[in-house]
Amino acid sequence: TQLLEQSPQFLSIQEGENLTVYCNSSSVFSSLQWYRQEPGEGPVLLVTVVTGGEVKKLKRLTFQFGDARKDSSLHITAAQPGDTGLYLCAGAGNSGGSNYKLTFGKGTLLTVNP
Amino acid sequence: NAGVTQTPKFRILKIGQSMTLQCTQDMNHNYMYWYRQDPGMGLKLIYYSVGAGITDKGEVPNGYNVSRSTTEDFPLRLELAAPSQTSVYFCASKREGFSSNEQFFGPGTRLTVL
Repeated sequence: TQLLEQSPQFLSIQEGENLTVYCNSSSVFSSLQWYRQEPGEGPVLLVTVVTGGEVKKLKRLTFQFGDARKDSSLHITAAQPGDTGLYLCAGAGNSGGSNYKLTFGKGTLLTVNP
Repeated sequence: NAGVTQTPKFRILKIGQSMTLQCTQDMNHNYMYWYRQDPGMGLKLIYYSVGAGITDKGEVPNGYNVSRSTTEDFPLRLELAAPSQTSVYFCASKREGFSSNEQFFGPGTRLTVL
């Protein structure tokens, strides 16, 4: 059983469209992170959310942490080909566990076509 | 700063051979991690270290060993390579403190066992 479920697993859209990807769990996390990974490279952190209900914006990307700190979403406005990549959510400190270990979801592979 | 560096970038092993994947970070981070990434499966934690001389098992440690003699280096050893160990391996590090959960990843080692 995957602790963090991401959906959809694959997403292919046209440039200019909006999209939302989801990261859901039955466990409570002390913080949740979103990473982006490009082919042949390691993941790179986009954002960390800590407080339930928190919303953070990074240019055209909007991240939200659920009120109960069990889920998160990533919304991209007017997607561009440069947004193409694997988006991974990762949670720390689930159910009172250690904060220095992350549990990763399986990822959402996003392709933005010109 | 070079960040997290990994060598080699690619390697092909025969069943039963052994090898060491090298990982070095120059950020003076206490925490270091080894993950494996299989297609569609996200990142699975193999081993981690909270400081020099201290290592612990992650989610999938069988078939691997690690050591942490210095803050900078965290090598991963495969003693008897098996086809199930074909994967992309990522090393990561993070600095101490709850407010700094960001993990910095190396570029990965793509390993094939035939």
